[in-house]
Amino acid sequence: QLQLQESGPGLVKPSETLSLTCTVSGGSISSSSYYWGWIRQPPGKGLEWIGSIYYSGSTYYNPSLKSRVTISVDTSKNQFSLKLSSVTAADTAVYYCARQKYSNNWFDPWGQGTLVTVSS
Amino acid sequence: QSVLTQPPSVSAAPGQKVTISCSGSSSNIGNNYVSWYQQLPGTAPKLLIYDNNKRPSGIPDRFSGSKSGTSATLGITGLQTGDEADYYCGTWDSSLSLAVFGGGTKLTVL
Repeated sequence: QLQLQESGPGLVKPSETLSLTCTVSGGSISSSSYYWGWIRQPPGKGLEWIGSIYYSGSTYYNPSLKSRVTISVDTSKNQFSLKLSSVTAADTAVYYCARQKYSNNWFDPWGQGTLVTVSS
Repeated sequence: QSVLTQPPSVSAAPGQKVTISCSGSSSNIGNNYVSWYQQLPGTAPKLLIYDNNKRPSGIPDRFSGSKSGTSATLGITGLQTGDEADYYCGTWDSSLSLAVFGGGTKLTVL
């Protein structure tokens, strides 16, 4: 079945760029009707959508993060990636990647998540 | 402050039924599909309900979803201790142009 796995550094310094990759297995990232999204969850808090990408490269972002976020896709590797620039402690969170049904806006499945801590 | 409002916590005894509400507005729940997610302690969210009231394969019919106007409800019957988790509603907000989630509801099975 379709599985997603996040990877990347668990510790990022303030003002630097957070970079994560999500590897999709058990299916193609080039599936029509689905976007691929990033969602984060600060410790003890709720879920926040960051942004999503279609296999063609079309993206849409959370307006509150848009100036700092870049999501890209590599169909040859069945991966998509997140870059979040100028991070602060407020960006400390578990970051999840997930497949998104664009028109109906549900997320399934989700990766297991990766904790990224912003600290010097 | 979440765009979608959920009660912080609910509780019920094993075998009983519980409902979790999710309140929004015409720009989100009122005109878009609602989904529900279960997050067991220390794990990733899992899709429970999509398109307001549909269950993915493998989700037992003890879980149900409904929507009326600008509110949605998740129902769980035959409560089990394994249902203790955080539950989130989600939808699209057409005015804000972003995917939104409720603040989450912690279910305790007493």
